[in-house]
Amino acid sequence: DIQMTQSPSSLSASVGDRVTITCQASQDIGHYVNWYQQKPGKAPKALIYDASNLETGVPSRFSGSGSGTDFTFTISSLQPEDFATYYCQQYDDLPRTALTFGGGTKVEIK
Amino acid sequence: VQLVESGGGLVQPGRSLRLSCAASGFTFGDYAMHWVRQAPGKGLEWVSGIDWNDGNIGYADSVKGRFTISRDNAKNSLYLQMNSLRAEDTALYYCAKDRVFGSATGTSLEYWGQGTLVTVSS
Repeated sequence: DIQMTQSPSSLSASVGDRVTITCQASQDIGHYVNWYQQKPGKAPKALIYDASNLETGVPSRFSGSGSGTDFTFTISSLQPEDFATYYCQQYDDLPRTALTFGGGTKVEIK
Repeated sequence: VQLVESGGGLVQPGRSLRLSCAASGFTFGDYAMHWVRQAPGKGLEWVSGIDWNDGNIGYADSVKGRFTISRDNAKNSLYLQMNSLRAEDTALYYCAKDRVFGSATGTSLEYWGQGTLVTVSS
């Protein structure tokens, strides 16, 4: 099974900061990584699919990059509403249906 | 798009429970669907997925042999039959829609329900 190692597990940042989260896959998964945001008591929300594509309606301060085994999620200028937990997820365990999430990164106010 | 889960509750270890997810706002039969769970204070765990015509089904190792996913496209509904429940199955269970039309293996989870809570305890 493909494992996703996400880091850091938590970080403290201020409004306006640039925030970067990484995910490393246990094997080459091409560009098959997605990113989600979850706020307390809420369902996760899809932000980015296929490593770098923004979901409709997602602000452009969010971005993703990477391929192979190393992936990066960036918030260019942290806003108050961005304090949340972020998860990466892969789907390249073909031909099986087997998705895997990273452990999550909690972004807290500094 | 709306996904509404139901069927959660308190159940004793070793017993069974069946979760349902009612879907609306899209052509249900055209998309793979998934169950994802989140234990209290923990991260997300994909549980199971099913493609649009039941041809490809997958399970996490932690539930394989105990849980069964199914769907009824005529009723726009997704199900999760959970047998031999354990304390470690305690979680909020989310239903989620795949983003890719006709996906056979699951891709990204475009829309999520609000979840139904399953508590396994004696």
